[in-house]
Amino acid sequence: AQSVTQLGSHVSVSEGALVLLRCNYSSSVPPYLFWYVQYPNQGLQLLLKYTSAATLVKGINGFEAEFKKSETSFHLTKPSAHMSDAAEYFCAVSDQETSYDKVIFGPGTSLSVIP
Amino acid sequence: DTAVSQTPKYLVTQMGNDKSIKCEQNLGHDTMYWYKQDSKKFLKIMFSYNNKELIINETVPNRFSPKSPDKAHLNLHINSLELGDSAVYFCASSHGRGRSYEQYFGPGTRLTVT
Repeated sequence: AQSVTQLGSHVSVSEGALVLLRCNYSSSVPPYLFWYVQYPNQGLQLLLKYTSAATLVKGINGFEAEFKKSETSFHLTKPSAHMSDAAEYFCAVSDQETSYDKVIFGPGTSLSVIP
Repeated sequence: DTAVSQTPKYLVTQMGNDKSIKCEQNLGHDTMYWYKQDSKKFLKIMFSYNNKELIINETVPNRFSPKSPDKAHLNLHINSLELGDSAVYFCASSHGRGRSYEQYFGPGTRLTVT
């Protein structure tokens, strides 16, 4: 079965510093990959998704992610952190091995931004 | 104009009670989902409906029963509530039942069982 791991359950960065949130997946077929963000007391919203069109994917709010097949990774980056980026971030992979429709979410990474 | 709405936002109840959570989406999507998010923020799918047909039914207790009266609504009824049911429940919808489709989430319903 496919799975997603996110290294670091909690990441702290200074305002203006680079944000790097790590995501690795396991899949025997080319995956569809997503990053979602959850602000406090809200639902999740899509930041970006990879569907094999381009390995570097740009999303909302200045975030981007790069698909690296050799490393089975889809890390999320942002050049300069803003206070408003403090949230929970989830990497997700579509499950193509057992169910056509299911998305599997990683455990999440909580991002703190220090002024 | 809220895309995916859930009611109630908060639900506090005692063990053994029966409760329902309602979800509505006005996006014209034909696929809807229920997720459970535990206290550690882990998100797990419970059910999914496509055009009122159940397409995902994960391993959840029989006490949980989804119902989709039409493709814009997906409700969740929970019988005989237990302490372990305390969580945030999210409804979501997507345009299709394909693996590349973005999901739109509601604001969540925080269920507390005492």
